[in-house]
Amino acid sequence: DGGITQSPKYLFRKEGQNVTLSCEQNLNHDAMYWYRQDPGQGLRLIYYSQIVNDFQKGDIAEGYSVSREKKESFPLTVTSAQKNPTAFYLCASTPGDTGFTDTQYFGPGTRLTVL
Amino acid sequence: QKEVEQNSGPLSVPEGAIASLNCTYSDRVSQSFFWYRQYSGKSPELIMSIYSNGDKEDGRFTAQLNKASQYVSLLIRDSQPSDSATYLCAAENQAGTALIFGKGTTLSVSS
Repeated sequence: DGGITQSPKYLFRKEGQNVTLSCEQNLNHDAMYWYRQDPGQGLRLIYYSQIVNDFQKGDIAEGYSVSREKKESFPLTVTSAQKNPTAFYLCASTPGDTGFTDTQYFGPGTRLTVL
Repeated sequence: QKEVEQNSGPLSVPEGAIASLNCTYSDRVSQSFFWYRQYSGKSPELIMSIYSNGDKEDGRFTAQLNKASQYVSLLIRDSQPSDSATYLCAAENQAGTALIFGKGTTLSVSS
């Protein structure tokens, strides 16, 4: 089945630890995105990548890092510099490099809780 | 004014009624708009996109865009309990590099 997978579904982290969220897609999509969603809030863009080995900061990139070494993979690292990382993290992809006018396909999400 | 604003609700309608969800936007967004549905604990799924003034229909859903008044709406006809979810309005930013989401409106359809 084609789609976007995110792992793990639930993640618990102690304060001061870095943690990496996985996002993989087998849709052959060029562009991939990371969003954060807090309770009762819309989605906020963290990072996006339109081609391999290139990525751009979104609105709330501080305390996060990404890499795009392969077309299929766009992992997100939540660093200890992120002051309030507890949230629902969503990865998305679009077919081409035409930006957001393409339909965005979302993964199932990872719920991160900092203990 | 925020770029994209929605009333958080909840909006409650009886089964079979028309649900009307509204979204207003500022001059800081472009003219591409999207409606997403999100069930509790799940990821959003695209319902409709709309780029031109007027109405766009897809099954029980109709998106309406009024550029003069800067609002976009989503009508759901013959509402079903399975339509109970949070509906997110999104607009493309002017640079074309990001989607800006509203906070979402929670819809509850009672049987």
